[in-house]
Amino acid sequence: GAVVSQHPSWVICKSGTSVKIECRSLDFQATTMFWYRQFPKQSLMLMATSNEGSKATYEQGVEKDKFLINHASLTLSTLTVTSAHPEDSSFYICSARTSADRGGELFFGEGSRLTVL
Amino acid sequence: GDSVTQMEGPVTLSEEAFLTINCTYTATGYPSLFWYVQYPGEGLQLLLKATKADDKGSNKGFEATYRKETTSFHLEKGSVQVSDSAVYFCALSGRGLTGGGNKLTFGTGTQLKVEL
Repeated sequence: GAVVSQHPSWVICKSGTSVKIECRSLDFQATTMFWYRQFPKQSLMLMATSNEGSKATYEQGVEKDKFLINHASLTLSTLTVTSAHPEDSSFYICSARTSADRGGELFFGEGSRLTVL
Repeated sequence: GDSVTQMEGPVTLSEEAFLTINCTYTATGYPSLFWYVQYPGEGLQLLLKATKADDKGSNKGFEATYRKETTSFHLEKGSVQVSDSAVYFCALSGRGLTGGGNKLTFGTGTQLKVEL
């Protein structure tokens, strides 16, 4: 199956700093990627839909200036958590969609755990 | 809005036991339904799916039937193995055939532990 990779898999940062998380589709091109956030014992919550070459679409309640998403190429989307605070500590997961001729299915990265001190 | 409710875990079973993980949903229209599995240290993987009422998705010995009358999509396996230990997520996608072009709404996940 298709492979999606996230980097870093875990990161610890100080409050007030910014952290960038990368999501790459390794063996296919993805015009659409999705970013999720997962709190312990809770479901994955969709944060935003990342579209290659255009602005991301954010879900209600997600601060676009706080969570900057860039989908600069067909294989890379980045999520930058700006001025991170302890409440931003969470597990961030991306997914990428294959093209219609490959079934249009979603493949997920392994997740990135952010801890803000 | 759409929502998915699945049983809380962890579920601990002995090898070769029968598994059921309950999942019910609330959605408008005719959603597609999915089960994803997350093995330790890995990303979510699609386990099986069903796109319309009475469809049965199956894979690796797991099965789930799309029951519109009870709005359920319970996951079952007749004989679990230690290697099935993972977190299982039920999810739905509104009106999409593959779930790829539409947002997925997830349940909270159910951890399964299978012991020898």
